[in-house]
Amino acid sequence: NAGVTQTPKFRVLKTGQSMTLLCAQDMNHEYMYWYRQDPGMGLRLIHYSVGEGTTAKGEVPDGYNVSRLKKQNFLLGLESAAPSQTSVYFCASRDGVPSEQYFGPGTRLTVT
Amino acid sequence: TQLLEQSPQFLSIQEGENLTVYCNSSSVFSSLQWYRQEPGEGPVLLVTVVTGGEVKKLKRLTFQFGDARKDSSLHITAAQTGDTGLYLCAGGASGTYKYIFGTGTRLKVLA
Repeated sequence: NAGVTQTPKFRVLKTGQSMTLLCAQDMNHEYMYWYRQDPGMGLRLIHYSVGEGTTAKGEVPDGYNVSRLKKQNFLLGLESAAPSQTSVYFCASRDGVPSEQYFGPGTRLTVT
Repeated sequence: TQLLEQSPQFLSIQEGENLTVYCNSSSVFSSLQWYRQEPGEGPVLLVTVVTGGEVKKLKRLTFQFGDARKDSSLHITAAQTGDTGLYLCAGGASGTYKYIFGTGTRLKVLA
């Protein structure tokens, strides 16, 4: 099993460009999450999903959109990137609460 | 908005010393988890505590959940260089599927 994978691992965008981050899990987990990690701020929840076809807002959803068309995939989109979205993005999945969250290796995004 | 404050933010100690990291909130959590994160990787779960007053031990690490389920601590006995990393607490928000993460404690253990 690969666990949770994220693509790409690194990306540099110019202000105003768009991109999609892909998260895939092969553990048949119901719940999936997107976080961003900034220095001194821990992990902040952007959006999450409790099952295929469902999404919900987290703490910092502005500027991001998500989709969960297939159970194993959770996509995070930036429609018009801003320098404030420079961060490391982590995807996670779990099969219940309060079970363990399994994290991907992260995507380092820089917006210039 | 539920917040989790961790202290200290940074900690640098010598190998063999003991240390305690704190995770505090004014909110009640249904459960609390501790994760450790290595540079360039995602966090990895260390423990989950769900009952107020619960104490769990994982080799040299001791985790405690406060009686009121608002705070937690992580105590490391005889720290080793392999304990170096970022320690994150995460509280489960009651009635939701969300976990709120703390601000993190960056630990460096010197040989």
